[in-house]
Amino acid sequence: DTEVTQTPKHLVMGMTNKKSLKCEQHMGHRAMYWYKQKAKKPPELMFVYSYEKLSINESVPSRFSPECPNSSLLNLHLHALQPEDSALYLCASSLGVSSNQPQHFGDGTRLSIL
Amino acid sequence: KQEVTQIPAALSVPEGENLVLNCSFTDSAIYNLQWFRQDPGKGLTSLLLIQSSQREQTSGRLNASLDKSSGRSTLYIAASQPGDSATYLCAPGRGSGTYKYIFGTGTRLKVLA
Repeated sequence: DTEVTQTPKHLVMGMTNKKSLKCEQHMGHRAMYWYKQKAKKPPELMFVYSYEKLSINESVPSRFSPECPNSSLLNLHLHALQPEDSALYLCASSLGVSSNQPQHFGDGTRLSIL
Repeated sequence: KQEVTQIPAALSVPEGENLVLNCSFTDSAIYNLQWFRQDPGKGLTSLLLIQSSQREQTSGRLNASLDKSSGRSTLYIAASQPGDSATYLCAPGRGSGTYKYIFGTGTRLKVLA
């Protein structure tokens, strides 16, 4: 079992739907990350939060909207997605954004856009 | 822009062999480097983290080395087991204030019983 919990595990949505991905950790980590991983490709960084504030946005389209309501929770709100957005979305956390501590990953949400 | 390459892309070996996985990166101004494994359909598990001031890090049958100046890291797996079958990813980290990790292309390892 991973210490970073992502829900749902699978999500199928139409291009006009609005949905949210959720990520939770209770390790006291103050940095949280969203990555996107296409099949047989490495993860690509999307967003970084540090102490609940957005620290990095890797020029992600506005149809992806992150939110960090508290230090344990990270959401990714989805709206008007495209078929090419189908991927595994991974959440990770670490002690801090500039610490020499490893990142802990959840098992991801597999997203399919119809 | 950091580019991270891993060789070989895929590897299939009999159980018990000692393995070397290679990672090369173009920007040597890194603060640390992580090695991860990823099982099919799962998230990533951190195996080892080497700080830029270190040359080696060991955990059980795993040993990772880092040559920052030449832009290389290797992951050595001793006495491989079928349970080691997974994709192995390296990720050098750098940044000003916030570390960003750029992942390598990965090595898909299969250890045959």
